[in-house]
Amino acid sequence: DAGVTQSPTHLIKTRGQQVTLRCSPKSGHDTVSWYQQALGQGPQFIFQYYEEEERQRGNFPDRFSGHQFPNYSSELNVNALLLGDSALYLCASSLGRNTDTQYFGPGTRLTVL
Amino acid sequence: GESVGLHLPTLSVQEGDNSIINCAYSNSASDYFIWYKQESGKGPQFIIDIRSNMDKRQGQRVTVLLNKTVKHLSLQIAATQPGDSAVYFCAENSGGGADGLTFGKGTHLIIQP
Repeated sequence: DAGVTQSPTHLIKTRGQQVTLRCSPKSGHDTVSWYQQALGQGPQFIFQYYEEEERQRGNFPDRFSGHQFPNYSSELNVNALLLGDSALYLCASSLGRNTDTQYFGPGTRLTVL
Repeated sequence: GESVGLHLPTLSVQEGDNSIINCAYSNSASDYFIWYKQESGKGPQFIIDIRSNMDKRQGQRVTVLLNKTVKHLSLQIAATQPGDSAVYFCAENSGGGADGLTFGKGTHLIIQP
């Protein structure tokens, strides 16, 4: 039973660039949530996708956007990167409209120079 | 805004002793709580959860206690082992099915030999 997978594991970008991160949910799950975790902090909710639509969004600017595909995998896109976007980006998957039990992937470490 | 927080950033315990990690939450609408364990360089790992209609739940070597009167959550780890060294986060969900999880800052559990 495959767990949540994310790619790439590490990424280095420069300010102003754009980045795309990818996530495949745990087998049988159809809901994907994205979180940003700054060093030494707890994860912060970015947004959640269910049935290929953004259902809920945290306090993040429009530079952060996403997509969910018919196979439930998801992408997180960040435009016009800032130094402050450097963080561990986590994807979590869950089943159906009940988003309580979320299982996390290993994350993508993004460094913005 | 309302958030989940932790009392202590670091907890050091002797191997074999029991550990208690505390968490305070302020959102009275929260109805689901989760404890995650995060090892260095990895994503959060689900440990145990509890719903607001319960005050105690036990798993393998772990127990979660919920005191709704004082909005307090705790994680008890029995017979602590070196592999328990990690950062522990409590997270809450205020329900509604579409909200992301709200995390606290985390407690770093250090196991002394």
